[in-house]
Amino acid sequence: DAGVIQSPRHEVTEMGQEVTLRCKPISGHNSLFWYRQTMMRGLELLIYFNNNVPIDDSGMPEDRFSAKMPNASFSTLKIQPSEPRDSAVYFCATNSRGRRETQYFGPGTRLLVL
Amino acid sequence: GESVGLHLPTLSVQEGDNSIINCAYSNSASDYFIWYKQESGKGPQFIIDIRSNMDKRQGQRVTVLLNKTVKHLSLQIAATQPGDSAVYFCAENTGANSKLTFGKGITLSVRP
Repeated sequence: DAGVIQSPRHEVTEMGQEVTLRCKPISGHNSLFWYRQTMMRGLELLIYFNNNVPIDDSGMPEDRFSAKMPNASFSTLKIQPSEPRDSAVYFCATNSRGRRETQYFGPGTRLLVL
Repeated sequence: GESVGLHLPTLSVQEGDNSIINCAYSNSASDYFIWYKQESGKGPQFIIDIRSNMDKRQGQRVTVLLNKTVKHLSLQIAATQPGDSAVYFCAENTGANSKLTFGKGITLSVRP
């Protein structure tokens, strides 16, 4: 199993630009979580999906952030427009129906907004 | 870039010694707990879990202890190796949904 796949692994962009982060969950996993990690705030849950449906987006910082899961094998997290304070590592994690609490993380996308 | 933030607490141990990493949780309704290990430049990796109907669970070189009375969780690593150097996070789930609440993390540094 390839595990959770995220792309890109690194992204450097200028303030105001649109950023799209991508995640491919582990095959068969039906829940998907987007996290943001910074030194100041640690790991923060942004949003999670169950069976491709957004369940809880209370962690999304503001309207500049949006997430979609068009099918069971793909999700995107978009920031438009990006700001320097969005610089962080963004992780995608997934879990399966059988082990609903155990989340498996991808390698993350390190985002730097200049 | 990122602004200067909080420094994670650090536990420094000698290679070969046993390590004990502690975590306090606040939600008495939590019924499932996980320890994750995060190496530099990687995502958190599942180590071991425990449900609230247990007070101890053992894995390979690792043991998790749960004390529900004082809401305390610990991770014991036997014969600590350089490869164990990482940030360790505890996480809890209340069972109401799939969300995990993560602790701040503790850095384990293994001295050769």
